[in-house]
Amino acid sequence: GAVVSQHPSWVICKSGTSVKIECRSLDFQATTMFWYRQFPKQSLMLMATSNEGSKATYEQGVEKDKFLINHASLTLSTLTVTSAHPEDSSFYICSARVLYGSYEQYFGPGTRLTVT
Amino acid sequence: AQTVTQSQPEMSVQEAETVTLSCTYDTSESDYYLFWYKQPPSRQMILVIRQEAYKQQNATENRFSVNFQKAAKSFSLKISDSQLGDAAMYFCAYFGTSYGKLTFGQGTILTVHP
Repeated sequence: GAVVSQHPSWVICKSGTSVKIECRSLDFQATTMFWYRQFPKQSLMLMATSNEGSKATYEQGVEKDKFLINHASLTLSTLTVTSAHPEDSSFYICSARVLYGSYEQYFGPGTRLTVT
Repeated sequence: AQTVTQSQPEMSVQEAETVTLSCTYDTSESDYYLFWYKQPPSRQMILVIRQEAYKQQNATENRFSVNFQKAAKSFSLKISDSQLGDAAMYFCAYFGTSYGKLTFGQGTILTVHP
C-alpha cells in the first residue's frame, strides 16, 4: 500500500513552453502533497506544500507564477512549469501525506524534466 | 530553523563489511522524528529506518541500525554485512511536529566494492 505515482517519468520540452507533471496517490487519500526539486548528487529542495482544496504554500525563493501547483482532489496534485527555460531542467519529486501533521510521507518515483 | 548536517559527502565499504554514516541535527523542539532514506540510481526515495525522539531505544531494521544520541543531536546509520544493492545516496531527514515538513541533509553517496 501507500503508492505514489508520477507522470510523466521523463519529459523534454522546448524553451518557452509549459509542461505539467502529475502526482497521484494510488491507494490512499492525501490531504497534503509536497513538491521537491533535486539537482544531480544534491539533496531534495522543498518547493511547495499543497493541501487539497486550498492554495499551495511556496518556500522562499520559489517563483509561484512559474511553478503552478494545483491540488484539486485528495488523490491528485499537479505541478505546471510555465514558460520553461533550460535552467528549469531538473528532477522533480512529489510526496504525499495521509493525515495533517503526520510524519508518514510517501514519495513518487520522480520526473526528469529537460528543457531544450 | 531546523538544520540537518551530513558531513560525509562520500563513503565506501567493502562487501560484507560494516559502514557508519553520520548525521547531526539542530532543533529546539522536543517532539520530532528522524529518518534515513535511501535513493538508489533509480532515484526512488526509499525509507530505510525511522526513530521517534521520545524513544530511547535505537531503531533496528534487519542489517540497518541507528545510534541515536539525543543530547548530542546525533543520528548515525550503521549498515552491517554491506551488499552491492546498498550502493546509493543516503539522506538523513528530520520531521518536527511544529514545522510539519521534512528537512533533509546534504546526502552521502555510498559505494560498495565487491
